[in-house]
Amino acid sequence: EVQLVESGGGLVKPGGSLRLSCAASGFTFSSYSMNWVRQAPGKGLEWVSSISSSSSYIYYADSVKGRFTISRDNAKNSLYLQMNSLRAEDTAVYYCARDHSAFGYWGQGTLVTVSS
Amino acid sequence: SYVLTQPPSVSVAPGQTARITCGGNNIGSKSVHWYQQKPGQAPVLVVYDDSDRPSGIPERFSGSNSGNTATLTISRVEAGDEADYYCQVWDSSSDHPGVFGGGTKLTVL
Repeated sequence: EVQLVESGGGLVKPGGSLRLSCAASGFTFSSYSMNWVRQAPGKGLEWVSSISSSSSYIYYADSVKGRFTISRDNAKNSLYLQMNSLRAEDTAVYYCARDHSAFGYWGQGTLVTVSS
Repeated sequence: SYVLTQPPSVSVAPGQTARITCGGNNIGSKSVHWYQQKPGQAPVLVVYDDSDRPSGIPERFSGSNSGNTATLTISRVEAGDEADYYCQVWDSSSDHPGVFGGGTKLTVL
């Protein structure tokens, strides 16, 4: 069974940093592209970033480029999102999702709150 | 960057057919995916590549895509179908390829 479990969310002050993790199991992690998608409270889904299976291709939304860094460790079956210079508008539930193009599997999300 | 436009809400009576549209410039040339999200839950892929269904998704869910509009069709709507629905494309020509529509709230009357 495919499982994606996010962790690392919490309360952080504006300008602060946070590192999210996504632990994957139930599939060959190194064979799949992975993604981060976020959802602000009461709002729609927003694609944040994607990374190919071997980390050769990395993409970011304009809203996070230069502040967020996506990475993965295929040996540890883990996906990461390093978030720096956080802003109030980054407050959201962050989901990791598997697959290229269509996101077939999702974790349950981790809440990031940016507030003073 | 590419923009997808969805109606904020659609209402339908039980047993009827719901159609949720997703507009985009020449969207017919792209593969469109649809997600269902119920309150407090993660999204679930219900249609991918315009009209294919993942395993476990009822045949009542179908999709089409042509011109500037993609459509998710839910036949014989049930109360349990009430949810937010999002369309999404992977715009491979862009540096920011992941694009979601704004979402449509489906209300079952």
